[in-house]
Amino acid sequence: AQTVTQSQPEMSVQEAETVTLSCTYDTSESDYYLFWYKQPPSRQMILVIRQEAYKQQNATENRFSVNFQKAAKSFSLKISDSQLGDAAMYFCAYLQGGSEKLVFGKGTKLTVNP
Amino acid sequence: DTAVSQTPKYLVTQMGNDKSIKCEQNLGHDTMYWYKQDSKKFLKIMFSYNNKELIINETVPNRFSPKSPDKAHLNLHINSLELGDSAVYFCASSQNIAYEQYFGPGTRLTVT
Repeated sequence: AQTVTQSQPEMSVQEAETVTLSCTYDTSESDYYLFWYKQPPSRQMILVIRQEAYKQQNATENRFSVNFQKAAKSFSLKISDSQLGDAAMYFCAYLQGGSEKLVFGKGTKLTVNP
Repeated sequence: DTAVSQTPKYLVTQMGNDKSIKCEQNLGHDTMYWYKQDSKKFLKIMFSYNNKELIINETVPNRFSPKSPDKAHLNLHINSLELGDSAVYFCASSQNIAYEQYFGPGTRLTVT
């Protein structure tokens, strides 16, 4: 079974600085998708960014970018120019191609200090 | 307009009761899901429906029964509630399999 590991239960960053959240996954498949979701205190799960495994180019969404290392099975999230509103739980998730089963990591709680 | 909505957002009930959580999506998606988030924030899929057909049924007690009256709705009925059922339940939908999933606001269920 596929597993997703987020090794940092908690991280903190100063406002306006950059932070990187780590994620590794275990799979023997070649067709899959990776996601980062954000869960602020409001509890809403918000999709931050998506990466297809077949794409070599790292996905970017405004201040959010990923470092996708397929061989190393690593999928880290970089948040640039951190804002107070970025404070949340961040979940890394894996989806095998052709499957509906999204597998989540245990999450990283990000604190943004003013 | 809310894309994926759930009702109620909060539910407090006593052990042994039966309760339902409703979910509706207006995104025109074909696939809907139920997830459970425990007290440690761990999210795990419970069920998945594609075009009203059950696709995924993880190891969930029989007391949990999903029902999909149409493609836009997926309800979760829970019988004989137990203390361990206390959690946040999320509904989600996706255009099809292997697409990103969009989540509802969650229902916090507290069983006393």
